[in-house]
Amino acid sequence: SYELTQPPSVSVSPGQTARITCSGDALPKKYAYWYQQKSGQAPVLVIYEDSKRPSGIPERFSGSSSGTMATLIISGAQVEDEADYYCYSRDSSGHYRVFGGGTKLTVL
Amino acid sequence: QVQLEESGPGLVKPSGTLSLTCAVSGGSISSNNWWSWVRQPPGKGLEWIGEIYHSGSTNYNPSLKSRVTISLDKSKNQFSLELSSVTAADTAVYYCASLIVTTISNYFDYWGQGTLVTVSS
Repeated sequence: SYELTQPPSVSVSPGQTARITCSGDALPKKYAYWYQQKSGQAPVLVIYEDSKRPSGIPERFSGSSSGTMATLIISGAQVEDEADYYCYSRDSSGHYRVFGGGTKLTVL
Repeated sequence: QVQLEESGPGLVKPSGTLSLTCAVSGGSISSNNWWSWVRQPPGKGLEWIGEIYHSGSTNYNPSLKSRVTISLDKSKNQFSLELSSVTAADTAVYYCASLIVTTISNYFDYWGQGTLVTVSS
């Protein structure tokens, strides 16, 4: 079965840039999406189609993708950005949807 | 804005069937969205379960396919999940979500608040 691989945790100080990676064999052909999930809440889309930002998402959130790796970038991370972040995409057939294992971002 | 709300028993016995319903408001279940279920075991990550389109077409996670049925009720603007032969490993928060699918993009845009289902005797 298809997998998306993320680091379990990333830690930065406030104001620093946080980078969370997501690797998958189908990413050269399939878009990556990123969700933020705060404790006890439903996920929220923060990046779609590799690098686009939905309305209402702060400009410090950005995304990129190259080859088999997609990256979520939080420039000038803030304490309120502490959350679990999940990448999401499809397998090469396009029929099945997959989430990465999630990355816990700590900002302190 | 579309709103989704899950409902169903919070406790299911082992070997039984988990049944949940998702009520859709602020939009029609006959729209071009797919309607999905995603679950999250306590302290773990998100797992896509499956989805249904208003035509009745479905896609299921291969790892759950033999136990999952997703259906919809257009008259009530809702869709449902059934997961059979449950074990403690099926204990999770279950989310319903709407899935936007276009020729180039697909993503979950609206989510329910989630409902915890515990499998225990």
